[in-house]
Amino acid sequence: AQKVTQAQTEISVVEKEDVTLDCVYETRDTTYYLFWYKQPPSGELVFLIRRNSFDEQNEISGRYSWNFQKSTSSFNFTITASQVVDSAVYFCALSGGVFYNQGGKLIFGQGTELSVKP
Amino acid sequence: KAGVTQTPRYLIKTRGQQVTLSCSPISGHRSVSWYQQTPGQGLQFLFEYFSETQRNKGNFPGRFSGRQFSNSRSEMNVSTLELGDSALYLCASSPGQGMNTEAFFGQGTRLTVV
Repeated sequence: AQKVTQAQTEISVVEKEDVTLDCVYETRDTTYYLFWYKQPPSGELVFLIRRNSFDEQNEISGRYSWNFQKSTSSFNFTITASQVVDSAVYFCALSGGVFYNQGGKLIFGQGTELSVKP
Repeated sequence: KAGVTQTPRYLIKTRGQQVTLSCSPISGHRSVSWYQQTPGQGLQFLFEYFSETQRNKGNFPGRFSGRQFSNSRSEMNVSTLELGDSALYLCASSPGQGMNTEAFFGQGTRLTVV
């Protein structure tokens, strides 16, 4: 079965600390996509990144970086020098793949609530 | 470019009633997916529509249904509401079908069943 696990339910840090959000996934597909979304209190899911299963290069976007490791089925997200505005719930998601005939579906982890205190 | 628009934003219904939620995707996007978010179950996939056809369906009872119109706007309907249907319903819009396109979400409709 396809599954995404975000073991950290809540994380609290002080502003300017670095923080890593963990994501572990399971799938039998060889071609799949991984995503991270941010959900602020307003409720909208904000797209952060998409990564396909053939691209294991790490990605950096400003203070955000992502580490994809197929060997450990992990797709971790690091925020460097966190800010209060980073406070939100972060979701890791896996695309339903060809094997499961669920191409358009996203399987979400349970989310990690990040609280950045001033 | 306007984002994904969901209406209404908030809704209170009584158990046993039915409800219709609306989603207008980003202009040019042809795929619309629906998700239910609850504190207990998290984010769960309801269904996906592409070109007016349902392409995928999640594991929800038949009380949950949807449709897509020729302009790509989508509606979902829940009949015979139960207390457990209280949730945030999110709609996602994608340019095409399948996993190789990004999904952009609306702000959701918060449904409360009393």
